[in-house]
Amino acid sequence: DQQVKQNSPSLSVQEGRISILNCDYTNSMFDYFLWYKKYPAEGPTFLISISSIKDKNEDGRFTVFLNKSAKHLSLHIVPSQPGDSAVYFCAASAQGSGGGADGLTFGKGTHLIIQP
Amino acid sequence: GAGVSQSPRYKVAKRGQDVALRCDPISGHVSLFWYQQALGQGPEFLTYFQNEAQLDKSGLPSDRFFAERPEGSVSTLKIQRTQQEDSAVYLCASSLAFNYGYTFGSGTRLTVV
Repeated sequence: DQQVKQNSPSLSVQEGRISILNCDYTNSMFDYFLWYKKYPAEGPTFLISISSIKDKNEDGRFTVFLNKSAKHLSLHIVPSQPGDSAVYFCAASAQGSGGGADGLTFGKGTHLIIQP
Repeated sequence: GAGVSQSPRYKVAKRGQDVALRCDPISGHVSLFWYQQALGQGPEFLTYFQNEAQLDKSGLPSDRFFAERPEGSVSTLKIQRTQQEDSAVYLCASSLAFNYGYTFGSGTRLTVV
């Protein structure tokens, strides 16, 4: 059973407009969420993260929103640029208070295509 | 280099063959992770090292998979008697501590024929 779900395999957005990528999770123990960007033949690159104590985190053109009650997060990219075309993975972890570093649980990814 | 280096980039193995995949993490990075990414899927956690100690191997799919990091730096993921379902990209990531600013390598694409 997938604990992190990205229900849109692909998304096409016009250059300059807003891209919104969505992610849902089922495990209520998750308390830290990340977005990774991946180009073909490269490893994922960290983009932005958010802790469960926040509902928004912004970094330049990228903003992540977290709705804990709905177990939903979204990544907003504005304005979208051609270089943003990539696969975006949502990931989550349950850092908890026990220390240690559990692995991340990833979604299947959304392929974002920015149209000129 | 400054990044996580993985070798080989591509590996084709005949079914039943043993393979060894290498990961050179960023110097000084304590934490090292291995992930498996099948086609069309997100990366799936395999195992985690803190220095030379393998603290979590719950994601290893079978006892044919074995990972080591004997000196707390370079790590090797070994797959014995490879099967077709082992075909995937194997990603290594390292981080300085228990934060989640992982740096991923470019991965090794394993194809079992």
